[in-house]
Amino acid sequence: DVELLESGGGLEQPGGSLRLSCAASGFTFSSYGMSWVRQAPGKGLEWVSSISGGDGGTYYADSVKGRFTISRDNSKNTVYLQMNSLRAEDTAIYFCAKDLARFAARPPFDYWGQGTLVTVSP
Amino acid sequence: DIQMTQSPSSLSTSIGDRVTVTCRASQSISAYLNWYQKKPGKAPKLLIFAASSLQSGVPSRFSGSKSGTDFTLTINSLQPEDFATYYCQQSYSTPYTFGQGTQLEIK
Repeated sequence: DVELLESGGGLEQPGGSLRLSCAASGFTFSSYGMSWVRQAPGKGLEWVSSISGGDGGTYYADSVKGRFTISRDNSKNTVYLQMNSLRAEDTAIYFCAKDLARFAARPPFDYWGQGTLVTVSP
Repeated sequence: DIQMTQSPSSLSTSIGDRVTVTCRASQSISAYLNWYQKKPGKAPKLLIFAASSLQSGVPSRFSGSKSGTDFTLTINSLQPEDFATYYCQQSYSTPYTFGQGTQLEIK
């Protein structure tokens, strides 16, 4: 069975950094695009970033571009989200998600983790 | 960026009702439209992809359709487990924007 397990969330001060990890199992990880989606308290879903399973191309929402970096380690079946220069508005549950189709970094997302909470506060 | 306008934002419904949720794209997105169900404390669940393809394991009471840049999610014979928030998402181009969500409430 496919499983996605996020970790690395927590409380961080504005301007600080966190690195989220998503450990995947149950599928050929290297072949699939992976993404991060977040949900701020009381708000809707927001796509954050994607990385392809083919050439490793990366894509970002404007709200995080230049501050967040997505990467993957296919030897560890893990995707990461390095979050720098954190702001209060980055406070959210961050979900890791797997693409339905191989290679391209494009939704839909057929499997999701349970999420990890990031709180940015003084 | 492509804007996804979802309506209504909330809907009060009853068990057995037929429910329709609409999502309008700000430009043509072909059939690159997906629907998700989200329950509090749970991960989102993919229901429909490519506008009208039912994801494996999703009950057949869920269906999707497309008319131009308007997309519709229909739930026939609403069941207790269907009370949740529903989101559309375009996958035509980055940023892969979601609609604002539609919360189904029990009447």
